[in-house]
Formats: sequence, C-alpha cells, structure tokens
Amino acid sequence: AQTVTQSQPEMSVQEAETVTLSCTYDTSESDYYLFWYKQPPSRQMILVIRQEAYKQQNATENRFSVNFQKAAKSFSLKISDSQLGDAAMYFCAYSTGGGADGLTFGKGTHLIIQP
Amino acid sequence: NAGVTQTPKFQVLKTGQSMTLQCAQDMNHEYMSWYRQDPGMGLRLIHYSVGAGITDQGEVPNGYNVSRSTTEDFPLRLLSAAPSQTSVYFCASSYSNRGYNSPLHFGNGTRLTVT
Repeated sequence: AQTVTQSQPEMSVQEAETVTLSCTYDTSESDYYLFWYKQPPSRQMILVIRQEAYKQQNATENRFSVNFQKAAKSFSLKISDSQLGDAAMYFCAYSTGGGADGLTFGKGTHLIIQP
Repeated sequence: NAGVTQTPKFQVLKTGQSMTLQCAQDMNHEYMSWYRQDPGMGLRLIHYSVGAGITDQGEVPNGYNVSRSTTEDFPLRLLSAAPSQTSVYFCASSYSNRGYNSPLHFGNGTRLTVT
C-alpha cells in the first residue's frame, strides 16, 4: 500500500518570506500523480498544485512551486512571498495513474503566517 | 455552478441511530467518492464510484453503505452510528478516475458527532 508522510506537523513563517513544506511517499508504481491541497479554517479542500510522476519539470503555480525528486520519493512545496491568506493546513496526496482508489493523503502540516 | 453540494453541514446523532449524508454534483462527473477526516489525520477513503450503478470499498468502509443510482448523487449511509464515526465527511468528484487530468472537486464537508 502507498503511504504519504508529512514530517512537519506545524510550520511558521514571517509574512513575505519563503517556506518549504516536506512530503515523502512510498510506492512501487511508476505511473502516479502527486498533489498539494490547502485546507483553510473554512474546511474547504483547495487544490494548490499537481505533478505527474513522468514529468521531470517541477510544477509551478504563481507563488507555489514543488521540488519533485522521484528517486528520493520526495515532493516538497515551496511558498514564496507568504501571505496571511496562505495560513491553512496543507496536505500532500498521492494517486496512482489509472486506479480508481482515490487519493492517499498525508497527515498534514499546519502553516502559520506571522504578520 | 454549484459544484459538489453536501448536506447537512452539521449533524449530531445518538449511538445506534442511522442517517444518510447527501452528496450531489452538477458537473456530470463520473467518479465520486467519500472521505472522512479525523483530527491529526489526513483524509481516508470510505467508498467510491466510477459511474452510476458501480460502487466499491475504500480504505475504511466498515459501518457505511453507498449507492449510485444516478450520475449526480452519491449518498453515504450510516447504518448504526458509533462514536468512532465522529468525524468530518467529505464528498469529492472528478470527471474520471485519472487523477492528474481530472482533479478532485470537494464539497464543503459534513461535521458529524455521535454521542
């Protein structure tokens, strides 16, 4: 079974600074996808960024980027120019390429933005 | 466009009671799923459906039933509620089960308390 590990239960960063959230995963599959979801206090799950395993290039969405290291099975999220609205729980998630068995989530990292 | 709609938002049950959590989507998505989120945990898959008339079990299916009579609706039934089922429940849908090209759209969750 696949597992996703987020080793940082909580992170704190000053507004406008950069922060990196860690995620590692374990799989024997070669075709899979990785995601970062944001969950603010409203409880809504919001897709932040996604990465296909076969793509070497790291995904970027505005201030959010990932460092995907396939051999190391690592998928970290970098948030640049942190804003107060970035404060939330962040979940790393994994999905196999063709399976219908949904997403496997990590336990989450609580990100605090210090004004 | 309503997206994924879950009702109710909050519910309190007594042990042994039954109830149905409703989920509807208006995006013509084939794939629908139910997750539960417990404190300190990521989301865990309960049941999923790849189309009308087809359902299957996820990681934590015990105590829950689902059915998929239409593309739009995917209700989750608790047959005899237990305190261990106290959780936040999320319904999610996507165009297909191929994760990258059809990311999951989540409802806003139902907070269920079983006393």
